[in-house]
Amino acid sequence: KAGVTQTPRYLIKTRGQQVTLSCSPISGHRSVSWYQQTPGQGLQFLFEYFSETQRNKGNFPGRFSGRQFSNSRSEMNVSTLELGDSALYLCASREGTGQLNQPQHFGDGTRLSIL
Amino acid sequence: AQSVTQLDSQVPVFEEAPVELRCNYSSSVSVYLFWYVQYPNQGLQLLLKYLSGSTLVKGINGFEAEFNKSQTSFHLRKPSVHISDTAEYFCAVSENTGKLIFGQGTTLQVKP
Repeated sequence: KAGVTQTPRYLIKTRGQQVTLSCSPISGHRSVSWYQQTPGQGLQFLFEYFSETQRNKGNFPGRFSGRQFSNSRSEMNVSTLELGDSALYLCASREGTGQLNQPQHFGDGTRLSIL
Repeated sequence: AQSVTQLDSQVPVFEEAPVELRCNYSSSVSVYLFWYVQYPNQGLQLLLKYLSGSTLVKGINGFEAEFNKSQTSFHLRKPSVHISDTAEYFCAVSENTGKLIFGQGTTLQVKP
């Protein structure tokens, strides 16, 4: 079974631009979560989608948004980019039918650099 | 709110020596606990999980962890490490909302 796939792997943008990151979960997984990883703040939860609905949201500004499609693929959008948005963005899909105790499996991430 | 504390930011150890990476969590309710490993330029790989049942959990690559409810700890151990175990290790707690709360990570440096 293929793992979680994130595209692109690397991205360079400038302040004020917007960006869209893509994530394809493991086949059969309907839950997709997004995390931001930075050296200063560590790993922080952004949001989770299940069956095209946002199920949970972290403490990030409204510039960060996401969506999920009927095939469970998910996209994350960040508008009006700031220098502090430079980070590794990780996507994870959850086993089973999205039960909260099931482990999440992570992709290799998208490294976003803001100039 | 739940939180996770990894007590050591870096752990240097010689090859073939045993290692313990410490993790404490704060929660007043039942929790699900996980250890993940991150190699350079990669995402997180699940090492092991504690959902319920036996407090000693075995994972991949020879790692194991022990859940101690009274001490709210979930320490990761390996009896003999290899150079290839050099990586960053994250302890995580799953809230009842399903989101993962991570510790700050422990860098394991295995020396020859």
